[in-house]
Amino acid sequence: ETGVTQSPTHLIKTRGQQVTLRCSSQSGHNTVSWYQQALGQGPQFIFQYYREEENGRGNFPPRFSGLQFPNYSSELNVNALELDDSALYLCASSSHRGPGGSPLHFGNGTRLTVT
Amino acid sequence: QKEVEQDPGPLSVPEGAIVSLNCTYSNSAFQYFMWYRQYSRKGPELLMYTYSSGNKEDGRFTAQVDKSSKYISLFIRDSQPSDSATYLCAMSADSNYQLIWGAGTKLIIKP
Repeated sequence: ETGVTQSPTHLIKTRGQQVTLRCSSQSGHNTVSWYQQALGQGPQFIFQYYREEENGRGNFPPRFSGLQFPNYSSELNVNALELDDSALYLCASSSHRGPGGSPLHFGNGTRLTVT
Repeated sequence: QKEVEQDPGPLSVPEGAIVSLNCTYSNSAFQYFMWYRQYSRKGPELLMYTYSSGNKEDGRFTAQVDKSSKYISLFIRDSQPSDSATYLCAMSADSNYQLIWGAGTKLIIKP
């Protein structure tokens, strides 16, 4: 069973730039969620994709956007980067929408630093 | 006030001790409760998953949920140095897709 994989592992960007983070979901999982984890904090929900449609969104501005592909892999795009966007970005997959039916399985994240 | 409160620690205990980790929450709609373990430079790893109130045991780990007090606990028996990590609680309402997380408690098990 292949787990959740994320790329790249580390990234350094300049304020105002754009970034794309990638995620391959665990085999058999059709739902992908993205979370932002600041240092010393718990993860914050960004959004979830189910069968290529956005299924819910947390309190993040529109410059955070995403995609899910037919093979259930996913991308997180962030435009106009700000210093506060520096964080660990986590992708999680599950076999059902919502955590009630299926727990989330996380990748090891992409560490984004904005200078 | 945050929806989920968790003492950040660090909590340092000797090897073999029983560890108690806790979270309190304010939203009575939460039905699903989870504990994740996160090692440094890694993603969270699911440890325990509980629906509604009650206890659940898995090996050295026991999760307890007290919905009347809005309080959940994770107990670790016979703690090992490999248990040293940050422990995060997470929870959600019945029909909600979104997990709400505590800030995590850093646990250190001293050999």
